[in-house]
Amino acid sequence: DAGITQSPRHKVTETGTPVTLRCHQTENHRYMYWYRQDPGHGLRLIHYSYGVKDTDKGEVSDGYSVSRSKTEDFLLTLESATSSQTSVYFCAIKAGQGKETQYFGPGTRLLVL
Amino acid sequence: GENVEQHPSTLSVQEGDSAVIKCTYSDSASNYFPWYKQELGKGPQLIIDIRSNVGEKKDQRIAVTLNKTAKHFSLHITETQPEDSAVYFCAATPFTGGGNKLTFGTGTQLKVEL
Repeated sequence: DAGITQSPRHKVTETGTPVTLRCHQTENHRYMYWYRQDPGHGLRLIHYSYGVKDTDKGEVSDGYSVSRSKTEDFLLTLESATSSQTSVYFCAIKAGQGKETQYFGPGTRLLVL
Repeated sequence: GENVEQHPSTLSVQEGDSAVIKCTYSDSASNYFPWYKQELGKGPQLIIDIRSNVGEKKDQRIAVTLNKTAKHFSLHITETQPEDSAVYFCAATPFTGGGNKLTFGTGTQLKVEL
């Protein structure tokens, strides 16, 4: 999984509670991404980061925030979880400037009751 | 923005047969097209990719073709094996050197039957 770890791997939470997912990489990659995967939709970009404290929105960013205070960690926060945010969340990294390929982590399965 | 359509959504083949998955894209600026394989419970794994300056690329039993004029690209798997059974995703992006946002197709569930 390209040196990417995600935590937790599974989480069950209740509607209205805050949730933070963590993506950790060990290879000093500049670019990091958060995607969600849902049946019938493939993978959709939530947010991405192009450096420490530099982030931008993706296709489905509403209800999500991100932070990147150090190169190795990219956090995804659901401020107040809703049932529509039940999904599998994948983190990805891109090796660097001039390199197109994204590599994915193992995923976090989130269930919001 | 980019829109990627992928067909078929499910594909069942006999072991040893070939499998073809097709994708179309909408943004003529897209120039990088990766294919990912996802096994149950795992993250997507890159299996092959192609850039817009190339019409075809092959890696052992896997090949990808690109038709820029028609805006479509296809994955070809020959001599399929049971371990090829998985979900396959195509994606497209207009890569310009920095961060690139991949737009994915909706996936194809490939089943290789013995």
